[in-house]
Amino acid sequence: SSELTQDPAVSVALGQTVKITCQGDSLRDFYASWHQQKPGQAPVLVIYGENTRPSGIPDRFSGSRSGKIASLTITGAQAEDEADYYCNSRDGSGDRRVFGPGTKVTVL
Amino acid sequence: QVQLVQSGAEVKTTGSSVKVSCKASGDTLNSYDISWVRQAPGQGLEWMGGIIPIFGRPYYSQKFQGRMTITADKFANTAYMELNSLTSEDTAVYFCARDLGTMRPAYWGQGTLVTVSS
Repeated sequence: SSELTQDPAVSVALGQTVKITCQGDSLRDFYASWHQQKPGQAPVLVIYGENTRPSGIPDRFSGSRSGKIASLTITGAQAEDEADYYCNSRDGSGDRRVFGPGTKVTVL
Repeated sequence: QVQLVQSGAEVKTTGSSVKVSCKASGDTLNSYDISWVRQAPGQGLEWMGGIIPIFGRPYYSQKFQGRMTITADKFANTAYMELNSLTSEDTAVYFCARDLGTMRPAYWGQGTLVTVSS
C-alpha cells in the first residue's frame, strides 16, 4: 500500500508533551520526514531520517519509528508549535513519494 | 544557505496549461531530487512528481501521468513543472521541494498560487 494515515487533530496543553503518529506499510522500509506548516506559509522540515533535526529546529522536536508507525514528539509544546504537521515518505515501490493527510496540533 | 525561488502567481482559464519554475540559489539543483507538491485550498499536501536533473528522467504520481511534464535546465539551475488541460480542481498552491523522501534535509520553495477559472 502507498498510503500514510494520520490522526486529523490533537491538542496539547502549553508546556506538555504531544505525540503525533503516521502509519503505513512503506514505513517498515523507509523513514518518514515531518513537515510543519502554518497558515499561509510553505511547509518547514522539522525531522528527517532516523531522528535528525535541521539547523534551527528546537530540540523539543524528536522522531522515532516502530514497525510501520512513525512518530513525531513535541516535548514541552509552545504556542508557536500550533500548526499542521505532515509526514512524508516513499511509497511501497520506493520510486514515489507520499504524504499523510496531516495532523492539526492545537496548543491550549 | 539553500533557497528555492518559484515563479509568480498565475491565473489560467479552463483547458489551458501552466508552467511553474523553481530556481535554486546557494547550491546546485543538479544532483538533488526535486519534487513538485500541490495544496488545494483548505486541503493537505499532494505529491505530484519529481526529477533528478543530473539524470534528467522525471517520475510522476499515477494521478498526473500524461498531464504533467517535469523538466530541468542544469545550466540555469532551474526545474519546471507544466500541467495541461487545467480545470477548476487544479486551483492550488504549487510547491517545489528538494530531497523529499531522502536521507538529506528537505528544502521548500515559497509556493506559487495557480488559479483556474472559466
